[in-house]
Amino acid sequence: DQQVKQNSPSLSVQEGRISILNCDYTNSMFDYFLWYKKYPAEGPTFLISISSIKDKNEDGRFTVFLNKSAKHLSLHIVPSQPGDSAVYFCAASARASGTYKYIFGTGTRLKVLA
Amino acid sequence: NAGVTQTPKFQVLKTGQSMTLQCAQDMNHEYMSWYRQDPGMGLRLIHYSVGAGITDQGEVPNGYNVSRSTTEDFPLRLLSAAPSQTSVYFCASSPRAGTVGSTYEQYFGPGTRLTVT
Repeated sequence: DQQVKQNSPSLSVQEGRISILNCDYTNSMFDYFLWYKKYPAEGPTFLISISSIKDKNEDGRFTVFLNKSAKHLSLHIVPSQPGDSAVYFCAASARASGTYKYIFGTGTRLKVLA
Repeated sequence: NAGVTQTPKFQVLKTGQSMTLQCAQDMNHEYMSWYRQDPGMGLRLIHYSVGAGITDQGEVPNGYNVSRSTTEDFPLRLLSAAPSQTSVYFCASSPRAGTVGSTYEQYFGPGTRLTVT
């Protein structure tokens, strides 16, 4: 039972355009969400996070949107750059329940075309 | 700060052999986790620890043991390796909830690529 789903395994976007990566979750106890970026042969690195008390968080070119009623979050990258080409994972945690387990999605491979 | 370090980077085992994957962090983080990454499966949590002396199971704990005798170290033991344990293993750490300025993200090590034949 996949609690965190990234239904698009891959995405290609032209340089300078917007990249939108999507993530759905099923567990209503999740209250904290994170996005990670992973390059080949490296560990994932943290990108941006959002708490369930917010519906939007911005950090430079990266914005995460959370729709709690739809159990859906998305990561927007504007403008996309070739260096953004990587695998992106969303992760969720149920912090209010006292757990610090993070459940990850299966990842979306983003390719930004120059 | 070295961050999160993992050794070895690569390992080949024969079925039935045992080994320990090492993980250390120098950020004084209380929380540490082990994940495995398999094609099409994302990152799956094996075991995690919320502090020295405390460990718990994740999504896929079978075949693995952990212990946490110090804040810095969180080794993962494969008791009797099987081909199904061929994977890339990542260790991660994060600060305690409520730590000032923390966004609770996990810091990952570079990974250990394990092949079991």
